[in-house]
Amino acid sequence: GAGVSQSPSNKVTEKGKDVELRCDPISGHTALYWYRQSLGQGLEFLIYFQGNSAPDKSGLPSDRFSAERTGGSVSTLTIQRTQQEDSAVYLCASSFTSGGDQFFGPGTRLTVL
Amino acid sequence: AQSVTQLGSHVSVSEGALVLLRCNYSSSVPPYLFWYVQYPNQGLQLLLKYTSAATLVKGINGFEAEFKKSETSFHLTKPSAHMSDAAEYFCAVSRGSSGTYKYIFGTGTRLKVLA
Repeated sequence: GAGVSQSPSNKVTEKGKDVELRCDPISGHTALYWYRQSLGQGLEFLIYFQGNSAPDKSGLPSDRFSAERTGGSVSTLTIQRTQQEDSAVYLCASSFTSGGDQFFGPGTRLTVL
Repeated sequence: AQSVTQLGSHVSVSEGALVLLRCNYSSSVPPYLFWYVQYPNQGLQLLLKYTSAATLVKGINGFEAEFKKSETSFHLTKPSAHMSDAAEYFCAVSRGSSGTYKYIFGTGTRLKVLA
């Protein structure tokens, strides 16, 4: 596609439920990033994928968070046993190469009740 | 470690007035610096970036920023504000030529343009 797409755009869930957020990067981009944007805070780096290399998971806040990238393209961020503090906008970005300009998707707004 | 501080979470300017959004960084290595803009319900859009070439960087929509190493600053300016500039602006830093991929973002500045 022309840009990074994310789905769903909004997700409301109950505390304790699992959620999956999807990111489709720009075609041909080898690097993919997930960030979290909480109210009143900047963007927090979560995880980074580059080609077939092991992902950099250093930003994941807890073991309830995981992500995978299948076939070097689409990525899914999974949050298990959601908590209210997980409520945020989750942004995905991709770049042509590692260190290239990052292009962001519109985000998924997650609300945990 | 790297960090970014954006002074002023909210800035209001009159239409036609100068826009100045402040960003100070901390980095132990030569940094790469970025300004992104986020319109409501949209993703971030790159305005401009500094990657160790010219210290005065021009971006889209008439914005520019100047890298000042002595002041560890990368302030964003625009000579004349338009109503369409109302948005949230984020400054970010990365580790330059080594380990470039991880961006550290500031907390953002919301710009309001008054008619």
